[in-house]
Amino acid sequence: ETGVTQTPRHLVMGMTNKKSLKCEQHLGHNAMYWYKQSAKKPLELMFVYNFKEQTENNSVPSRFSPECPNSSHLFLHLHTLQPEDSALYLCASSQDRRSNQPQHFGDGTRLSIL
Amino acid sequence: GESVGLHLPTLSVQEGDNSIINCAYSNSASDYFIWYKQESGKGPQFIIDIRSNMDKRQGQRVTVLLNKTVKHLSLQIAATQPGDSAVYFCAENMGGGGADGLTFGKGTHLIIQP
Repeated sequence: ETGVTQTPRHLVMGMTNKKSLKCEQHLGHNAMYWYKQSAKKPLELMFVYNFKEQTENNSVPSRFSPECPNSSHLFLHLHTLQPEDSALYLCASSQDRRSNQPQHFGDGTRLSIL
Repeated sequence: GESVGLHLPTLSVQEGDNSIINCAYSNSASDYFIWYKQESGKGPQFIIDIRSNMDKRQGQRVTVLLNKTVKHLSLQIAATQPGDSAVYFCAENMGGGGADGLTFGKGTHLIIQP
């Protein structure tokens, strides 16, 4: 049990579809993150939320749209994705973005774009 | 540009031996470092962390060493077990009391030989 739960675990979608990834953390943290993990590349930070406010958008294309309704939940809305967007999308949380505390990760959503 | 990287992409060790995984970083302002373990099909799992005001920190069967002079970080795993097989990432948090996420290396795949 990681304390960070992501759903779905696997997702296959066409380029014209709209879908959403969900992340929920049960650790009482105030910061949440979206990362993209592609084969043979380091984890890439996409978005950061701190106390429900977006504090970082790391040059992510607008076809990815994050939403953070409260400190425990984080969504990633997807629309008109490209084949190169196929990857493992990881959610993480930490106490807050200013403290040097470890981030705790979920097991990710494996996304495949047809 | 500044980056976090790992010296070896794959490390093979005999079961019961000690493993040493190395990491080089180039950002002298980094003040916090983390080691993660990622097993197949799972998200990164926190192993151990160290702050820049320390040289060494020990956990259960793991030790992290930080050499700020040469900007080098290492993870030592004692008495390696089959369950230690995974990809290991180092990550840095740049100075300033926290950053918008972590910067990760590409990872080292640790293989345990029976």
